[in-house]
Amino acid sequence: EAGVAQSPRYKIIEKRQSVAFWCNPISGHATLYWYQQILGQGPKLLIQFQNNGVVDDSQLPKDRFSAERLKGVDSTLKIQPAKLEDSAVYLCASSSPRGGKETQYFGPGTRLLVL
Amino acid sequence: RKEVEQDPGPFNVPEGATVAFNCTYSNSASQSFFWYRQDCRKEPKLLMSVYSSGNEDGRFTAQLNRASQYISLLIRDSKLSDSATYLCVVNLRGSTLGRLYFGRGTQLTVWP
Repeated sequence: EAGVAQSPRYKIIEKRQSVAFWCNPISGHATLYWYQQILGQGPKLLIQFQNNGVVDDSQLPKDRFSAERLKGVDSTLKIQPAKLEDSAVYLCASSSPRGGKETQYFGPGTRLLVL
Repeated sequence: RKEVEQDPGPFNVPEGATVAFNCTYSNSASQSFFWYRQDCRKEPKLLMSVYSSGNEDGRFTAQLNRASQYISLLIRDSKLSDSATYLCVVNLRGSTLGRLYFGRGTQLTVWP
């Protein structure tokens, strides 16, 4: 089974520029998550989709961050304009209930550096 | 106050040692608990779920104390390959749509 795919793996931009990340979840996984992991901290949920609907975006800085999952499969996360404090690893995860349990599987992440 | 608190370490132990990590959570409504492992510059991966009765998986034992809102992970007979960051994770709701809260992680280095 193929894992969660993310691209690009690395991105360096200057502040006030825009950037977009892409995620393709594990086939058949209805739930997709975007996390932000700042160096030295645990991942923090930004947004959660169930199919193509948003379940939780309470921690998404909506003035600059946006995400979509139009067809309920792959997803994009955008930052516009970027700030220095956005430097982090952006992790995508997907999950599907199996046997009463739901495990989140993470992609390799996109490492963003804002200069 | 953070939802999940962990001692960041680092813990440096020799091969064969037993090491224990602890974590506390702030919301008594938390229902699901996990330990994730994250290798350097890699993504987190589920190590084990934590159940009220405690559970064991090989050299790893997880314990949950709901009264104290405390979770632990014990690693026996440490291996070099156990070197990683261990993330304590809590889900506020038992449903599949509950949000996961991650601690900042405890760094472990096992030396030969």
